[in-house]
Amino acid sequence: DGGITQSPKYLFRKEGQNVTLSCEQNLNHDAMYWYRQDPGQGLRLIYYSQIVNDFQKGDIAEGYSVSREKKESFPLTVTSAQKNPTAFYLCASSPQVNTEAFFGQGTRLTVV
Amino acid sequence: GIQVEQSPPDLILQEGANSTLRCNFSDSVNNLQWFHQNPWGQLINLFYIPSGTKQNGRLSATTVATERYSLLYISSSQTTDSGVYFCAVPDSNYQLIWGAGTKLIIKP
Repeated sequence: DGGITQSPKYLFRKEGQNVTLSCEQNLNHDAMYWYRQDPGQGLRLIYYSQIVNDFQKGDIAEGYSVSREKKESFPLTVTSAQKNPTAFYLCASSPQVNTEAFFGQGTRLTVV
Repeated sequence: GIQVEQSPPDLILQEGANSTLRCNFSDSVNNLQWFHQNPWGQLINLFYIPSGTKQNGRLSATTVATERYSLLYISSSQTTDSGVYFCAVPDSNYQLIWGAGTKLIIKP
């Protein structure tokens, strides 16, 4: 099936550890995005990538890092510098920027 | 930057009722998306509607770009329609700006 796959669905991390969230798409989309959602809130943009080997910071990039070495993959690393990492993380892709975006099922990260 | 406001923030209805959700935006846009976030967190695309009217089953949407608003209509509500409905529009950097959502609860 075509779509966007995020893994894992649930992730637990100890304070001080880095953790990487996976996002893969087989839609041949150029643009990919990472969002963070806190309980009862809307989505906030962490990073986005318009094309392979390029990415830009969003509104809340501090404490996060990304890479875009392949068109189909856009992993997000939550570093120990992120003060409040517990949240729901959503990955999205679109054919290009400013076109219809589609979302994965999300990863719930909990710091224990 | 562009502002997006959704109303009402919360809506509780009986199964079978109809509803209208509104999305206002502060500047002209060249596209708008409506999403449904189900209780498990998945964001489901409903409509990509820069202007005009689209229908998909019991759902329809109308965007009046010149007046800077969009409406989402849900007819004959079912319990599976419960969740949060978001609208999102692109800013000048083509990044989606999100409303705060309308939380819809459909009671059986």
